[in-house]
Formats: sequence, structure tokens, C-alpha cells
Amino acid sequence: GENVEQHPSTLSVQEGDSAVIKCTYSDSASNYFPWYKQELGKGPQLIIDIRSNVGEKKDQRIAVTLNKTAKHFSLHITETQPEDSAVYFCAAVTGYSTLTFGKGTMLLVSP
Amino acid sequence: DADVTQTPRNRITKTGKRIMLECSQTKGHDRMYWYRQDPGLGLRLIYYSFDVKDINKGEISDGYSVSRQAQAKFSLSLESAIPNQTALYFCATSGQGGSGELFFGEGSRLTVL
Repeated sequence: GENVEQHPSTLSVQEGDSAVIKCTYSDSASNYFPWYKQELGKGPQLIIDIRSNVGEKKDQRIAVTLNKTAKHFSLHITETQPEDSAVYFCAAVTGYSTLTFGKGTMLLVSP
Repeated sequence: DADVTQTPRNRITKTGKRIMLECSQTKGHDRMYWYRQDPGLGLRLIYYSFDVKDINKGEISDGYSVSRQAQAKFSLSLESAIPNQTALYFCATSGQGGSGELFFGEGSRLTVL
């Protein structure tokens, strides 16, 4: 089955800096790669996703890049703000299967 | 009101007790899931159901069972709880296959003493 590795497990940045979280996947057939954000005391929520036919996608301050050859994808957050502090999960899936999640990255943005 | 509601939100129980966690949704989705979250281990799939008559084991189904009572209701049971089942449990729904967005409840924190 699919295996998703996520790094780093924790990331501390100063407000205004950029943050990058990286994931690798094992199944070359995986074709959908979402990112979820989990705020304290809440369930995860989808923030951005990318499909295998696209190399990059942006939504305001967040962007995701995908390198199919290397089987890795990354989340980029620019101009970080304290409200970006949360746990972020990457995931991968093939077709109609179920998502396999990475172990999560705790992002702390200090004012 | 939340689209995906889990009850109870917090539960403390003793080893050997039977526990049921309930999930109901108002999104009209066919697909429902139960995940377990442990620190440093991410989200792991316990069971999932693609419609009322469909139940499938996930990555870590041992020690758990589920019941899909209706399109909107999906329950997770621990027949005889053990301490290593102490975790945060999430119910989720989706409207389509693997590439559909998951909508999570707010979680049920279970402590087994």
C-alpha cells in the first residue's frame, strides 16, 4: 500500500517568514495530494490540494508543488501569521482508494 | 450546527468496558470514515463505509467494530477497551471517491484506564 513520509515533525518560524513542509509518497499510481490543517481542539480541514496532472497550485499565501518523478510534494506558506499555527497533514491517494496521511507537522508561528 | 457531529466528545473508561462512539452527519454524503489520531503517528484509518450496506476494514481495525445504521449515522465500538486504545478519534465524511474532500467532526477523546 501507499506510504507517506512527512518532514519536519515540528517547525518554528517568526511571523512574516516562509514555511515549507515536505512529503514523499511511495505509490507512483497516486494521483491526488491534499493538505489538511488541524487547529487546536478541532478536526482537520482541507486547505489546498493538487492532482497529478498539475505541477503547482496557489491560493493566496499558500501553494503546493508536486514532483511526480521524485514522488514528492510540498506545502509553502508565505508571510506566515500567528493564525497559521496548527498541525498540517499531507496525504496521497490512488483512484477510488482511501487517503494515506503523513504523520503531521506542528507549525508554530511566533509574533 | 456542525455538519459532522461526534458524541461523546470526551470519555474516560476502564479496561474491559464496552465503548461506543457515535457519528452523525447532515451533509448527505454516502461515504463515512473513522480515524484514530495519536501524537507523532498522524491519522490512521480504522474502518470506512461507502454506503449503508458497505463496511470495510482500514489500516488498524483490530479491536474495533462499526455499524452503519443509516446514511447519516456511523458508530465505532470498542468491545473490550484496553489502555493502548487511548487516543483521539475522528469521524469523517466525503461525497465521492478517494479524491474527494474529507469533512471531519471535532473529535472524541477517549481515555482507557
